[in-house]
Amino acid sequence: RKEVEQDPGPFNVPEGATVAFNCTYSNSASQSFFWYRQDCRKEPKLLMSVYSSGNEDGRFTAQLNRASQYISLLIRDSKLSDSATYLCVVNRDDKIIFGKGTRLHILP
Amino acid sequence: GAVVSQHPSWVICKSGTSVKIECRSLDFQATTMFWYRQFPKQSLMLMATSNEGSKATYEQGVEKDKFLINHASLTLSTLTVTSAHPEDSSFYICSAPSGGQGTDTQYFGPGTRLTVL
Repeated sequence: RKEVEQDPGPFNVPEGATVAFNCTYSNSASQSFFWYRQDCRKEPKLLMSVYSSGNEDGRFTAQLNRASQYISLLIRDSKLSDSATYLCVVNRDDKIIFGKGTRLHILP
Repeated sequence: GAVVSQHPSWVICKSGTSVKIECRSLDFQATTMFWYRQFPKQSLMLMATSNEGSKATYEQGVEKDKFLINHASLTLSTLTVTSAHPEDSSFYICSAPSGGQGTDTQYFGPGTRLTVL
């Protein structure tokens, strides 16, 4: 079993819809959690850090559930520009573990 | 946010030559930097952890003699692909943690696209 797992998608979602991704991690010693987005042929860019208390940034909400060992990302009122691959990143003992990413296509 | 640069942004070389890629943290110091490789339509793969003042730590399956890493200063790490072959063609990306700890937010360089003919 991979340490960080994501549904690769693609998720094809109409513009304006709400979409949610989950990412599960297997090591309970994981310490910090992030969502990055990566556009085609570009480097990943930090979308948001993820905290147990949950955090929101505009249309994006991230949540961490330590008991069930998953993090989630919710995108509301999706825009065409949200089309990208969303990477779940988990840090543990100075190691960085990436999920394989979830591809999102927002349809006009 | 913190800025990480990479140079060159793209390079084409002949098989058998060596290519050096630089990764710089522009407005912060990084005792640790990370190097990744990404093949088309695949996920990022961590290749190695670059440590200032000590040897790099390589992930399983990554040849340390082929991918030479030098963390020359607190703002510069270099990756040299030695005796490059077409199968080394890939997108190479570096990252550095903003707070100096591996568990901090990673900031990525813009990547270097390597094509080996």
